[in-house]
Order: sequence, then structure tokens, then C-alpha cells
Amino acid sequence: EVQLVESGGGLVQPGGSLRLSCAASGFTFSTYWMHWVRQAPGKGLVWVSRIKSDGSSTTYSDSVKGRFTISRDNANNTLYLQMDSLRDEDTAVYYCAGVPGGNNAFYVWGQGTMVTVSS
Amino acid sequence: DIVMTQSPDSLAVSLGERATINCKSSQSILYRSNNKNYLAWYQQKPGQPPKLLISWASTRESGVPDRFSGSGSGTDFTLTISSLQAEDVAVYYCQQYYSTVTFGPGTKVNIK
Repeated sequence: EVQLVESGGGLVQPGGSLRLSCAASGFTFSTYWMHWVRQAPGKGLVWVSRIKSDGSSTTYSDSVKGRFTISRDNANNTLYLQMDSLRDEDTAVYYCAGVPGGNNAFYVWGQGTMVTVSS
Repeated sequence: DIVMTQSPDSLAVSLGERATINCKSSQSILYRSNNKNYLAWYQQKPGQPPKLLISWASTRESGVPDRFSGSGSGTDFTLTISSLQAEDVAVYYCQQYYSTVTFGPGTKVNIK
């Protein structure tokens, strides 16, 4: 079964850090580009970041550039999102998603992990 | 950046009737070299992740009921639910993947 499972969410104070993980199974992780997408409570989907299948290229939305770092471990089929200097507006459910190849639709989604930034 | 807009914001349709959602991109997302539109449609129900319905503007994914169809090219696209069922109540998002990724704001579909 094709599956993505996120973990690492929780409550953090403004200015704090959090590291999200996304464990993949059931497909050849090393051939998929991987993305993070977030959804604030009651709001729409917002793309956050992506990483190429071999990890050689990364891209970020303007809202997280310089604060978030996406990475992956293909040997262990895991995607990461290191989130630093967190702000109230980063509060959201964070989804990881898998894309076969480069520019393509998001065929595989995780269930999401909630990140709450609050003092 | 490519901006995606959707209309309407919400709609209520009677069971068995047609629902139509429009999506517009701020620039063409048709890649001339392969004649493909880099557009997808997703369905999201409360408490669930999005589910891919349609890719490449009109390719229905495996297992998606054939009452769902996508059309359009260039900058203007449409998702049609030909005969609305109770289980189709959800928020629907369009997404461009021509240049990085952008989602539309979503359209909420309810039963009238």
C-alpha cells in the first residue's frame, strides 16, 4: 500500500523550531519529487516547499524562504521539514505529498500533522 | 508567480444535478512542446487530505467516478460533476504545476 505518514507536529512558541518527518512506503521513494503543503485552520491549501528526487534541488515559497529547510533521506525513505523562527501564521496542518517525476500532480498525500505556534 | 482563481466560492446543487466549477490561471499553463496543460483538480472532505481527481486538465485518475470530468486549456479550466451525489460534498481545488506549484482558493460544494 502506497503510504505517507507525517510526524513531529505539536505546540511551539513563536520564534521556536520544529522538525517534521514524513515516512514513505509502498512506492519507490527515491524516484519521487516530494513536497510540503500546509493548510491553516478553515483555510485553503498553500504550497510550502519541494525537493527533487535525488535531493539536489530545493524550492521554497516566499513566506518560508530562509526559515524552513526541506531535506530527504532516500536510504530510509524519509522526507523532512526543519522549521525555524516560527511565527503565529505558520500554524497549520502540514501535509507531505509525492510526485512521480518533476512537474506533475500530487498523486500521494499523507494524513497531515498539526503545527500550532502560540505563546 | 502564477495565480489561480476559482469561481464560484461555493455552490449548492440538488442531488442528481450538474455542478460546474471554474478555474483560471494568471498565465497559460499549456506547455507547447508536449501540448499538455499542467493542471490538476483535488477533492478534500473535512478532516481528510486532498484526493487527486484529475491531472493534465482532463485525465481522470483510476477509481474516480466518471461523473467527474475536467476540461479547458491555456488559462481557463472547468471541473464538472455531471450528477451530484451526497458523497461529493467537499471543497474542490485546482492546482497548477507548470511553474512550481500554486493552488486555487477552493470551491465548496453542498447539497441544495
